[in-house]
Amino acid sequence: GENVEQHPSTLSVQEGDSAVIKCTYSDSASNYFPWYKQELGKRPQLIIDIRSNVGEKKDQRIAVTLNKTAKHFSLHITETQPEDSAVYFCAASPSGGSNYKLTFGKGTLLTVNP
Amino acid sequence: GAVVSQHPSRVICKSGTSVKIECRSLDFQATTMFWYRQFPKKSLMLMATSNEGSKATYEQGVEKDKFLINHASLTLSTLTVTSAHPEDSSFYICSAPGSSGYTFGSGTRLTVV
Repeated sequence: GENVEQHPSTLSVQEGDSAVIKCTYSDSASNYFPWYKQELGKRPQLIIDIRSNVGEKKDQRIAVTLNKTAKHFSLHITETQPEDSAVYFCAASPSGGSNYKLTFGKGTLLTVNP
Repeated sequence: GAVVSQHPSRVICKSGTSVKIECRSLDFQATTMFWYRQFPKKSLMLMATSNEGSKATYEQGVEKDKFLINHASLTLSTLTVTSAHPEDSSFYICSAPGSSGYTFGSGTRLTVV
């Protein structure tokens, strides 16, 4: 089955700096890669996703890059703010929105210091 | 957008009792529901996949007799934790695939005392 590795497990940055979280996956059949932000006791919130026919996607301060050859994808957050502090999970699936399960990375605790 | 309503949000039960968690798709039909378990400071681990009208598929290591899953209609999937023990205390969350990705319920914090 799919195996998703996520690094780092914790990341502390100063407000205004950039944050980068990296993930690798094992199953070449995976072609949907979402990123979720989860606050304590809450459901995961989709912040951005990318499909295998796209190499990069950006939404304001958030961007995701995908290298399908190397089987890795990364989340980039620019101009970080204290409210960006949360746990971030990457995930992979053979097909988003279908009946294929999502496999999650272990998460990254991001702390943005004011 | 798609909404999955999960209840209860929190439940405290005594050891040995059973607890039922419900997930309802409010504005779409969920033929599939994924059930996850999340321990504190850990990732979401898939427990099982329920499919409307058929038996659930359990992940390796998950006891099907302990975690009963029913998906009797296109809008309702339930997870029953039977004979709960303190080690079953966790955050349980459901997720339904849809046209624009996966919709998560709000989660259930189960505490077994």
